[in-house]
Amino acid sequence: GAGVSQSPSNKVTEKGKDVELRCDPISGHTALYWYRQSLGQGLEFLIYFQGNSAPDKSGLPSDRFSAERTGGSVSTLTIQRTQQEDSAVYLCASSSGAPGANVLTFGAGSRLTVL
Amino acid sequence: GQQLNQSPQSMFIQEGEDVSMNCTSSSIFNTWLWYKQDPGEGPVLLIALYKAGELTSNGRLTAQFGITRKDSFLNISASIPSDVGIYFCAGQRGGSRLTFGEGTQLTVNP
Repeated sequence: GAGVSQSPSNKVTEKGKDVELRCDPISGHTALYWYRQSLGQGLEFLIYFQGNSAPDKSGLPSDRFSAERTGGSVSTLTIQRTQQEDSAVYLCASSSGAPGANVLTFGAGSRLTVL
Repeated sequence: GQQLNQSPQSMFIQEGEDVSMNCTSSSIFNTWLWYKQDPGEGPVLLIALYKAGELTSNGRLTAQFGITRKDSFLNISASIPSDVGIYFCAGQRGGSRLTFGEGTQLTVNP
């Protein structure tokens, strides 16, 4: 597509439930990032996929968080047994991955509220 | 890991004033990017810098890639109300992932 598409745009869930957030990157982009942004805060890196390389998972806050990227395109971020502190906007971004030209294009985000 | 120090954390200015914000790092970067985030949206790229000393403008925005490759600044001239938002710097070193600053929250009073 023309831009990075994220769904759902808003998700309200109860504590303890699992949630899945989807990111559809720009076609042909080999690099994909997930960030978390709490209200009024900066961008917290979660995970980075680059082509067929092993993902950089160093930002995942706990083992309740996982992400996969199928076929080098769509990515799903899964949060198991959600907690109230997981409430935030989850942003996905993609880039062409070309060396020296790592310009990220962001989606509008998925706002997660855990009650 | 790589750290970016972005300042100021927030700014409150009057319409028409000029704005300056910067990012510094203890590490060398070979790419600097500046993004703006409007409320309820994802960050949008403003300016990309790829060469030490490079000075690039985009309308009322001007950004520079520091000569030491450890810093960058963004200037906004003659601010207007729609400049309100969060401004992020980001740096990349080699083939590593981007590192983002903590953001500068800009408020413009009409």
